[in-house]
Amino acid sequence: EDQVTQSPEALRLQEGESSSLNCSYTVSGLRGLFWYRQDPGKGPEFLFTLYSAGEEKEKERLKATLTKKESFLHITAPKPEDSATYLCAVQGILTGGGNKLTFGTGTQLKVEL
Amino acid sequence: EPEVTQTPSHQVTQMGQEVILRCVPISNHLYFYWYRQILGQKVEFLVSFYNNEISEKSEIFDDQFSVERPDGSNFTLKIRSTKLEDSAMYFCASRTQTRRNEQFFGPGTRLTVL
Repeated sequence: EDQVTQSPEALRLQEGESSSLNCSYTVSGLRGLFWYRQDPGKGPEFLFTLYSAGEEKEKERLKATLTKKESFLHITAPKPEDSATYLCAVQGILTGGGNKLTFGTGTQLKVEL
Repeated sequence: EPEVTQTPSHQVTQMGQEVILRCVPISNHLYFYWYRQILGQKVEFLVSFYNNEISEKSEIFDDQFSVERPDGSNFTLKIRSTKLEDSAMYFCASRTQTRRNEQFFGPGTRLTVL
C-alpha cells in the first residue's frame, strides 16, 4: 500500500525566511509525485509533478526536488500570500487502472510580515 | 484557463436522504475522479472513471455510492442513504490521456449530514 508522510505538520515563517517542506513516501514503483497547494475551504491546486529521482521543478518562489525516498518543497523568500497547506501525493505503478493519488496530511504554512 | 466546476458548493441533508453531487470536468479530459476530505484529515481517493466505466474504487466506495456521466459534460456522485460519517468535502478531479497524469481538482462540495 502506498504511503505518504509529510513534515512538519505546521510551519511558521517570517517573510523572506526560506525553508523546506518534506514528503517521505513508500510506493510499489513510482509513477509520479505531485505537489498541490490547498487554501482553506478550497480544492487542491496543482503545482508540480516529479517523475524520477534527481528531477527538479521550479515555479516562482517554489522548487520541488525528488529522491528515491522523499521529496522536498523549497520555499525561497516566502511572502504572506504563500500561506496555505501544501499537499504531497504519489501515484504508484501498481495503483490499478485508475491512477489514483495517495495524499499525505499536508504541511500548513503560515508566512508572517 | 479551463477549470473543474462543482455544484452545489454546500449541501445540507438529513441522515438517510439521497444526495447527488455534480461536477463539470475540463472539456478535453477523459479520466474523472472523486475524492473526499473529512475535516482535518487527508484527501482520500473514492473512485476513478474512464470510458463510462469505473476503473478503480476504494474500500470507502461501497454500495451506497455510485457515479455516472449522464451526458457529455457532467460527472455525478450519488450517495443513496447518507450517514453522519459521510460529512466531508467532496472533490471532483479530471485529467487528460497523457503520461503526465496530472489531476486538476474542483473547488469541492461541502456535504453536511445532520
